[in-house]
Amino acid sequence: KAGVTQTPRYLIKTRGQQVTLSCSPISGHRSVSWYQQTPGQGLQFLFEYFSETQRNKGNFPGRFSGRQFSNSRSEMNVSTLELGDSALYLCASSAGQGGNQPQHFGDGTRLSIL
Amino acid sequence: GNSVTQMEGPVTLSEEAFLTINCTYTATGYPSLFWYVQYPGEGLQLLLKATKADDKGSNKGFEATYRKETTSFHLEKGSVQVSDSAVYFCALREAGTALIFGKGTTLSVSS
Repeated sequence: KAGVTQTPRYLIKTRGQQVTLSCSPISGHRSVSWYQQTPGQGLQFLFEYFSETQRNKGNFPGRFSGRQFSNSRSEMNVSTLELGDSALYLCASSAGQGGNQPQHFGDGTRLSIL
Repeated sequence: GNSVTQMEGPVTLSEEAFLTINCTYTATGYPSLFWYVQYPGEGLQLLLKATKADDKGSNKGFEATYRKETTSFHLEKGSVQVSDSAVYFCALREAGTALIFGKGTTLSVSS
C-alpha cells in the first residue's frame, strides 16, 4: 500500500509570494491533516479535512488555507509569504476521525522563504 | 486544554544500553496515546500506540504502557542500536480532535 505522498519535497519562495502544497493520502483514508514543524515551535496543527469539509482548525492566520477534493487528495495554500513561514509542512492521513485512529505522515514539504 | 510533556533531550546512550523517554499528558477526556519517530530528512513514522488504560503498545523492541493513574506513557527499549538514533515524539488524540505532540526528544546512540 502506497504511503502518504507530498509534493513538492522542497520549495524556495520569496516574501509576498504564495505557495500551494499537495498531499495524496493513503488509499481509502478520508481524513487529511496538515502540520507545520519548526525548530522553535515544534509540531503545530494547521487544519484537518474529512470528506471535503474542514473539521478542525489550528491557531494560524487566514493566510493559511486548505481544501480537500472528492478523491481525498488535499492542498494547502499559503498567501503573502513571510520569513517565519519557513518550515517543514507535514501532511497526515487516517481512516477516520476517531481518537484511536493513528495518523500516517508523508515526508513533508520543506518550504524556505528568502 | 490537552497537552503532552516530554523529557528534554538530547539523550545520549551507548549501543545496547537501556532507554527510557518520559512522557506525561493532560487530557480532559479519554485520549489514545502514540509514539512517533522521525529520522533525519523524513516525516514521522508511527512507532506504537495504546488506546485505553493499561494497554501496552509495542513495536521493534520499543514498549510503552498507558498509565491513567500517573497520566504517563513512557517509552522504553531494552537494548538500543545506533540505528535507533532519531527524534521521538509522544502524542495524544481524542475523538474529533487533532494530534497533540510533545516537543520531541532527540536520541543519539553511539557504537
